[in-house]
Amino acid sequence: AQTVTQSQPEMSVQEAETVTLSCTYDTSESDYYLFWYKQPPSRQMILVIRQEAYKQQNATENRFSVNFQKAAKSFSLKISDSQLGDAAMYFCAYRMNTGNQFYFGTGTSLTVIP
Amino acid sequence: AAGVIQSPRHLIKEKRETATLKCYPIPRHDTVYWYQQGPGQDPQFLISFYEKMQSDKGSIPDRFSAQQFSDYHSELNMSSLELGDSALYFCASSIRALQETQYFGPGTRLLVL
Repeated sequence: AQTVTQSQPEMSVQEAETVTLSCTYDTSESDYYLFWYKQPPSRQMILVIRQEAYKQQNATENRFSVNFQKAAKSFSLKISDSQLGDAAMYFCAYRMNTGNQFYFGTGTSLTVIP
Repeated sequence: AAGVIQSPRHLIKEKRETATLKCYPIPRHDTVYWYQQGPGQDPQFLISFYEKMQSDKGSIPDRFSAQQFSDYHSELNMSSLELGDSALYFCASSIRALQETQYFGPGTRLLVL
C-alpha cells in the first residue's frame, strides 16, 4: 500500500527566509508522480509543484523547488523568500502512474512571521 | 482559465436526509475525482470516473453513489446522512490520457445537524 508521511505538523518561517517541508512516501512502484498542494484558509486546494519519478531533475516553480531523492523516497519542498501569502497547510501527495487515486500526507501547517 | 466548478458551495442538512453535490470539470477534462476532507484531516479519495465509467473506488460509503454524465459533469449523491459526513467535499478533474495533474474545485462544505 502507498503511504505518504509528513512528519512536521507545524512549521514557521520568517518573512523573506527559506523553509523546507519534509515528505516521505512508501511505494513499490518505479513510475509515479509526486505533488505538493497548498491549502490556504479558504481551503481551496492549489497545486504548487509536481515531479515525475522518472525525471532526475528536481522540479522548480519560481520560489518553490523540490529535493527529490528517489532511492530514499523523499520529496521535500523548499520555499525561498517566504511571503505572507505562503501561509497555508501544505499537503504532499502521491499518485501511481497507472492509477487515478491520490494519496495525501497529513499536511504541514506553515506560518509566516512578518 | 476555467476552473473546476462545484455547487453548492455550502450545504446544511439534517441527519437521515439526502444531499446531491455537483461538479463541473475543466473543459476537455475527461476524468473526475471526489474527495472528502474532514476537519483537520487530509483529503480522502472517494471515487473517480473516466469517460462516464467508474475508474477507481476509494473509501466511499455504501450510502453514497456517484456518476458522470455525458457532458462530463459529475454528481455525488449522499443518502441517510450522518453527523460524521460533515466535511469539505472536493471534486478534481484531469485529462487522463495526458497524465495531467488533478485540478481541484473550491469544494462543497457540508454540515449535517
